Amino acid sequence: AQRVTQPEKLLSVFKGAPVELKCNYSYSGSPELFWYVQYSRQRLQLLLRHISRESIKGFTADLNKGETSFHLKKPFAQEEDSAMYYCALSYAGNNRKLIWGLGTSLAVNP
Amino acid sequence: DAGITQSPRHKVTETGTPVTLRCHQTENHRYMYWYRQDPGHGLRLIHYSYGVKDTDKGEVSDGYSVSRSKTEDFLLTLESATSSQTSVYFCAISGRGSVSNEQYFGPGTRLTVT
Repeated sequence: AQRVTQPEKLLSVFKGAPVELKCNYSYSGSPELFWYVQYSRQRLQLLLRHISRESIKGFTADLNKGETSFHLKKPFAQEEDSAMYYCALSYAGNNRKLIWGLGTSLAVNP
Repeated sequence: DAGITQSPRHKVTETGTPVTLRCHQTENHRYMYWYRQDPGHGLRLIHYSYGVKDTDKGEVSDGYSVSRSKTEDFLLTLESATSSQTSVYFCAISGRGSVSNEQYFGPGTRLTVT
């Protein structure tokens, strides 16, 4: 079955430190991967999609099909990056449904 | 915010009462979804719609029903609210003019069942 795993429930770093939020998936075909961010008590917002290969708010993510991973990285964390981050997977023929990881709460300490 | 709103934003209701949450979009997206978000469980899909009058169950559909009579509106009904349905409910939309399966979310409805 298709699955998304975010192994860390909570990640705590200091301001200015590099941050990596891990996302592993299980799917044998060609998935579409996303990162969403949710700031405190707000709606989820799309942060990155792997097909765009873009950098948003200093975050990047590369799809590694060999390792079935889509880790989110930022070289220098900022306090405003503190939020919940969700990794999600989609695939063709699934009514555009997303399969979600359980999320990682990132805390950036001053 | 992709022109998606939810109402009400907050609601407190008593066990056993019916509750209807509304999701409204102005973007003409074909697909609409209802999720609930609970600590430790992340986002769980309740029901979704792939067109007007076309709906299907998600992973946690028991105790919930939905209706979509027009493109803009997707209603979620708790037929007889229980305390286990206390949660934050999010609506999402997808599909207009995009090859990507990304979803856009509403602001959420915080429901408390006492």
